[in-house]
Amino acid sequence: QLQLQESGPGLVKPSETLSLTCTVSGGSIRSSSYYWAWIRQSPGKGLEWIGSVYYSGATYYNPSLKSRVTISVDTSKNQFSLKLSSVTAADTAVYYCARALTSARALFDDWGQGTLVTVSS
Amino acid sequence: EIVLTQSPATLSVSPGERATLSCRASQSVSSNLAWYQQKPGQAPRLLIYGASTRATGIPDRFSGSGSGTEFTLTISSLQSEDFALYYCQQYHNWPPGYTFGQGTKLEIK
Repeated sequence: QLQLQESGPGLVKPSETLSLTCTVSGGSIRSSSYYWAWIRQSPGKGLEWIGSVYYSGATYYNPSLKSRVTISVDTSKNQFSLKLSSVTAADTAVYYCARALTSARALFDDWGQGTLVTVSS
Repeated sequence: EIVLTQSPATLSVSPGERATLSCRASQSVSSNLAWYQQKPGQAPRLLIYGASTRATGIPDRFSGSGSGTEFTLTISSLQSEDFALYYCQQYHNWPPGYTFGQGTKLEIK
């Protein structure tokens, strides 16, 4: 059974870079059948797709965040990562990693439990 | 950009009764519409995709319908575990940009 687990600091200072990693177990991130995504949820903005990565390293970002987001994949560790730069309080949210089928690249059929990241000094 | 509008924001229904949740898209998404259930402290769970196909392990009291711009999630005979937040989501365009509705809270009457 596939499991996704987010990890990273729960507190980030304003203007700094938020960094999270998602570890995939019970399946290979190298599969050509899936994309791997980051999604966040905040009280003010609901659920927001941040971006996705394919095992090849191809990336796709939400235009509203594109200038600050980098998503990468490490197939040797079965992990993918999120970096969000120049964070503000508005970036405080629960961050989820998720899987999407290649055939429906924004249909998220499996999710991690989520990790709360607070932006505060 | 496709905007999804869910209604109502909150729906109060008694256990055992039927609940009907709506999702309207600002432009056609064909049948590329999914529904998710989210309980407090948990990640969203995929319920329905392709507007009407139940995901693996989802009870048949959950059903979806619609195409184009108007969609409905129906839960027949509500169980206690069904009271939660429900989101619709379109996956018609790529990259999706804005993709989720704002949610409907289904609460016990």
